[in-house]
Amino acid sequence: AQSVTQLDSQVPVFEEAPVELRCNYSSSVSVYLFWYVQYPNQGLQLLLKYLSGSTLVKGINGFEAEFNKSQTSFHLRKPSVHISDTAEYFCAAYSGGYQKVTFGTGTKLQVIP
Amino acid sequence: GAGVSQSPSNKVTEKGKDVELRCDPISGHTALYWYRQSLGQGLEFLIYFQGNSAPDKSGLPSDRFSAERTGGSVSTLTIQRTQQEDSAVYLCASSSLGQGVETQYFGPGTRLLVL
Repeated sequence: AQSVTQLDSQVPVFEEAPVELRCNYSSSVSVYLFWYVQYPNQGLQLLLKYLSGSTLVKGINGFEAEFNKSQTSFHLRKPSVHISDTAEYFCAAYSGGYQKVTFGTGTKLQVIP
Repeated sequence: GAGVSQSPSNKVTEKGKDVELRCDPISGHTALYWYRQSLGQGLEFLIYFQGNSAPDKSGLPSDRFSAERTGGSVSTLTIQRTQQEDSAVYLCASSSLGQGVETQYFGPGTRLLVL
């Protein structure tokens, strides 16, 4: 069965510092990967997704993620965070066919002024 | 155009009562998903609709949970005889064709509190 692991439940970081949110997946077949963001009291919205091609994917708000097949990872990065990036971030994976998209447990990013 | 809407935004109920949660997807989206978000649990998949049929009900936690979709549009998630452990945020999402590689568009959720 497919699974998505986000090891860090909370990540505090100072404003303008870089951040990396970790995501690992387990799948024996080709996988498609997503990062969603949930701002306080809002629904989730897509940040970026990897379907194929370049392993470095750029998303909205200056975020990017790198697909690493050998390490089964899809870590999310931003070189300089802003207060407005404070939110919860969810990694998700889909393996094709009738399988559902599997979400990780989320990482709360707290940007400190 | 309008996004996914859900109602009510908040619901407080007593243990043992039934509740109905409503989701209005983006117009034209054939796929609709229900998730449950509990503290520290991430997003738990409940059920997926393709049109009015539900090919995947594997996530419904018990037979107290049911969902339907009519006219390929609005969906209702019903929880019978609510229990305190049902307290969570219930999120609805839709996508245009129901292919897993598509972006899912989420509503703001319904916060359910069972006393």
